Amino acid sequence: ELKVEQNPLFLSMQEGKNYTIYCNYSTTSDRLYWYRQDPGKSLESLFVLLSNGAVKQEGRLMASLDTKARLSTLHITAAVHDLSATYFCAVDIIRDFGNEKLTFGTGTRLTIIP
Amino acid sequence: KAGVTQTPRYLIKTRGQQVTLSCSPISGHRSVSWYQQTPGQGLQFLFEYFSETQRNKGNFPGRFSGRQFSNSRSEMNVSTLELGDSALYLCASSLVWGAGKRTEAFFGQGTRLTVV
Repeated sequence: ELKVEQNPLFLSMQEGKNYTIYCNYSTTSDRLYWYRQDPGKSLESLFVLLSNGAVKQEGRLMASLDTKARLSTLHITAAVHDLSATYFCAVDIIRDFGNEKLTFGTGTRLTIIP
Repeated sequence: KAGVTQTPRYLIKTRGQQVTLSCSPISGHRSVSWYQQTPGQGLQFLFEYFSETQRNKGNFPGRFSGRQFSNSRSEMNVSTLELGDSALYLCASSLVWGAGKRTEAFFGQGTRLTVV
């Protein structure tokens, strides 16, 4: 059974600092996603990582994927208050037609302190 | 282009009742999947439908069921509601164009179900 572990669960950061969220998964996957969720809201897609060594950046967020280590990271650079949210990684194994099943990590609740 | 639409957005039900949630996927998307999010269990996969057939099912009791119509709209039903069924239910759709070829999943805004 695929397991996705995410850490830390809670992260409190000062504005302007850098930090990294880690996502480990237990079996080979086809895609790795990072999502953001604001309180009471749905999931907002941030990044989709498809291959080993993939790196994507959007603003102060950068995601990378190491398929050999089964590890993805979400790096936050010079954090600002607007980045306060819960971040989830999710792993997708694509089989045939249909058969989609995202397995999510536990989420990291990020709080940026002014 | 319209996104994934879930109705209703909020729902309050009493224990023992049943509830039906609806999901309209992005036009052209034939794969619809459902997820439950609770504080205790996190985000968990419920089931996925493709071309009106359930292709994958998560580890939920039989009280949770779903279906997909010919226009790809999907409904999920929960019978004999329990307090623990209170959750945010998310629906996602994706475009499938061949074996193993699909886009990422696009999520709707969710339905917040409260069971009292």
